[in-house]
Amino acid sequence: EVLLVESGGGLVQPGSSLRLSCVASGFRLTDYAMHWVRQAPGKGLEWVSGITWNSDAIDYADSVKGRVTISRDNAKNSLYLQMNSLRPEDTAFYYCTREIPPVRDIPHRGFDSWGQGTLVSVSS
Amino acid sequence: SYELTQPPSLSVSPGQTATISCSGDNLENRYFSWYQQKAGQSPVLVIYQDIRRPSGIPERFSGSSSGDTATLIISETQALDEADYYCQAWDSSVIFGGGTKLTVL
Repeated sequence: EVLLVESGGGLVQPGSSLRLSCVASGFRLTDYAMHWVRQAPGKGLEWVSGITWNSDAIDYADSVKGRVTISRDNAKNSLYLQMNSLRPEDTAFYYCTREIPPVRDIPHRGFDSWGQGTLVSVSS
Repeated sequence: SYELTQPPSLSVSPGQTATISCSGDNLENRYFSWYQQKAGQSPVLVIYQDIRRPSGIPERFSGSSSGDTATLIISETQALDEADYYCQAWDSSVIFGGGTKLTVL
């Protein structure tokens, strides 16, 4: 069974830092690009960041660029999101998600597995 | 920046067909995925690559894409299909639609 388990969320003050973790099981992490997607309470889904299987390509949403760093440790079956200079608008559930591998002429095909999410609350 | 537009809400009666649209520019060069998110739960992929259905997703769920609109179709809608549905595609990065709340009553 494919499982993604996030941790590291919590209540922090503006300007603080947090490191989110996602532990993967039931599949080979090295076979997949991975992403973080967030959802503010009562709002829609917002992509945050993605990383290829070997970390050779990384991308960030403009809303977090310069404040977050995505990384992975395939040997530990883990994905990370280091979040700095947190703002109240970063308050959200953060989901770890797995990207379906590309085929032929289709580089991106969707996200087929999601974790249960970890809640980050930024408030003074 | 690229945007995907969905209707905020849709109501159908049990047994009817629910059709959820997702509109944007230049859809011809993009592939769409659809996610179902029930209250208090994580999103679940129901359609990818416009028309493909992951294993375990009922055949009642189907997708299409034509012109400037991608569509999720739920045939013979059941009460358990009540959820928020999001379309998603790639531009220079990952884009999600705003979501459609499907009510089955």
